[in-house]
Amino acid sequence: DAGVIQSPRHEVTEMGQEVTLRCKPISGHDYLFWYRQTMMRGLELLIYFNNNVPIDDSGMPEDRFSAKMPNASFSTLKIQPSEPRDSAVYFCASSPGGHEQFFGPGTRLTVL
Amino acid sequence: GENVEQHPSTLSVQEGDSAVIKCTYSDSASNYFPWYKQELGKRPQLIIDIRSNVGEKKDQRIAVTLNKTAKHFSLHITETQPEDSAVYFCAASINTDKLIFGTGTRLQVFP
Repeated sequence: DAGVIQSPRHEVTEMGQEVTLRCKPISGHDYLFWYRQTMMRGLELLIYFNNNVPIDDSGMPEDRFSAKMPNASFSTLKIQPSEPRDSAVYFCASSPGGHEQFFGPGTRLTVL
Repeated sequence: GENVEQHPSTLSVQEGDSAVIKCTYSDSASNYFPWYKQELGKRPQLIIDIRSNVGEKKDQRIAVTLNKTAKHFSLHITETQPEDSAVYFCAASINTDKLIFGTGTRLQVFP
């Protein structure tokens, strides 16, 4: 198994542009999580899905952020429009439920 | 909601010494407490976890203790090695799906 796959690994964009981050969870895992990591705020849970359904999006910072999971093998996190304060490392993680969360390699986002 | 506090934020030890990282949680309903290790530039990875029906768990040089009454849990690393240098995160969960992470402890082990 290749583990959780995220793309792109690095993204540099200008303020105001739309950014889409992608995640492929480990096959068979029912849970998918999106986290944001910064020096100031640490590791924050943005949203998580169970069986493709969003369960808790209370961590999504504002309406500029949206996440979808159209099927069991794919999820996106979109930021529109992006702002410099969105610069962070975004991690996707998956879990079979009730157990360890497996993190992807992360996407380092820089908004200029 | 749940809140997890973690101390210290940085910890420096000599190789071979022990290291202890402490966390407190606010919600007495929390029942799952994992610890993740994140090396520089890498992803967080689970190193050990404990559930509320257990007071202590060991895995080689790593141990975790849980005090449900006081609502705190600790990570103990014995005989530290340079490769233990990383950021360690504690977390708490009520239903083992949503994790609330502590702010992290940067551990440096000097040879």
